[in-house]
Amino acid sequence: SQQGEEDPQALSIQEGENATMNCSYKTSINNLQWYRQNSGRGLVHLILIRSNEREKHSGRLRVTLDTSKKSSSLLITASRAADTASYFCATDAESGGYNKLIFGAGTRLAVHP
Amino acid sequence: DTEVTQTPKHLVMGMTNKKSLKCEQHMGHRAMYWYKQKAKKPPELMFVYSYEKLSINESVPSRFSPECPNSSLLNLHLHALQPEDSALYLCASSQDAGLGGETQYFGPGTRLLVL
Repeated sequence: SQQGEEDPQALSIQEGENATMNCSYKTSINNLQWYRQNSGRGLVHLILIRSNEREKHSGRLRVTLDTSKKSSSLLITASRAADTASYFCATDAESGGYNKLIFGAGTRLAVHP
Repeated sequence: DTEVTQTPKHLVMGMTNKKSLKCEQHMGHRAMYWYKQKAKKPPELMFVYSYEKLSINESVPSRFSPECPNSSLLNLHLHALQPEDSALYLCASSQDAGLGGETQYFGPGTRLLVL
């Protein structure tokens, strides 16, 4: 079952604009990750934010985490056509002493030249 | 080398066929994963192997049979699949499955079509 819900489901912007994607989750977490998936390909890890962190940056990416609202956001600044992809948040879930990732529904981002 | 490789890239099979998907990593990771992904949906976990032992089976039908011959290889044996099993099958690996906050490295996937 999905742990996270993301919005918007789809986002269409022009190059140079900023893109913001939101993720909400249901249970308490230790950390939250964001992944990118180009069409029909494997996922690529973007960034991990721990539950005791509120904000994290990596290049043009900024991730925030609000544990009181059980939500996270991913901001991509100065977007490029190459940023066109699906973006998923993922949280850890414990299962029989092992950890697994539960992915949100994802946001499909289209950046137009 | 941070690459996870998967073969084949595409596979078309009939419902009576037996086929296998293969996954390989040389990062020294001790956890390997199989995911199934339908179009416009997130990946759904199928199996987790930790130190070559099946650790998590997400109630996957027995027509999917995973195998981990060694720490670098992961197979998914397919038999008597249904058309609804058509999907992108993703393999991933991580340092360890016993710890939280592990980055998973994904292969490019095998796109499977069951006729």
